[in-house]
Amino acid sequence: DTAVSQTPKYLVTQMGNDKSIKCEQNLGHDTMYWYKQDSKKFLKIMFSYNNKELIINETVPNRFSPKSPDKAHLNLHINSLELGDSAVYFCASSQTRAEAFFGQGTRLTVV
Amino acid sequence: AQSVTQLGSHVSVSEGALVLLRCNYSSSVPPYLFWYVQYPNQGLQLLLKYTTGATLVKGINGFEAEFKKSETSFHLTKPSAHMSDAAEYFCAVMASGTYKYIFGTGTRLKVLA
Repeated sequence: DTAVSQTPKYLVTQMGNDKSIKCEQNLGHDTMYWYKQDSKKFLKIMFSYNNKELIINETVPNRFSPKSPDKAHLNLHINSLELGDSAVYFCASSQTRAEAFFGQGTRLTVV
Repeated sequence: AQSVTQLGSHVSVSEGALVLLRCNYSSSVPPYLFWYVQYPNQGLQLLLKYTTGATLVKGINGFEAEFKKSETSFHLTKPSAHMSDAAEYFCAVMASGTYKYIFGTGTRLKVLA
């Protein structure tokens, strides 16, 4: 069973479109995250939810909106996609202050 | 504020040689420290972690790291490199009392035959 699963794995879309990435964890963790990995492999935190409550909201354009319907799910919706949004987006989960478990990533390409 | 510095964006070693990947951190409170490995087109996999207790921690695949508070370092080592160790390695810090994992810029390890 996959611990943290993201869909889709690949996403190619045109500028201006709206897209969503879904994430689910079956580890029973309290905290979930979205990270962005750029072309230079740099990992930057975007958002974090703890028990469905937003606890980290980094300097991210408000075109990005996370939603956590329950503790096991954290989705990322992106409006009006831009070329600069092209990256790999990772979902992760953790129990409080333990190690984070990462999904396989979603490679977003905006053309 | 916490930060992580990984010295050397690229490291090459011969198969069978010692692997040493450097990580220094900055944290105003006792940190939790992690090393992750990322293989091409995959997610991050935990190699090892330090939270409290023994400062020498052993991880998977023969890796280990030592927490040195006086040097604010958490370097990753492996006595003998295998071809399968070629990957990107990330050091990460989480300050106690926060939920945020801060990652270094990564080190790409190349293993030469």
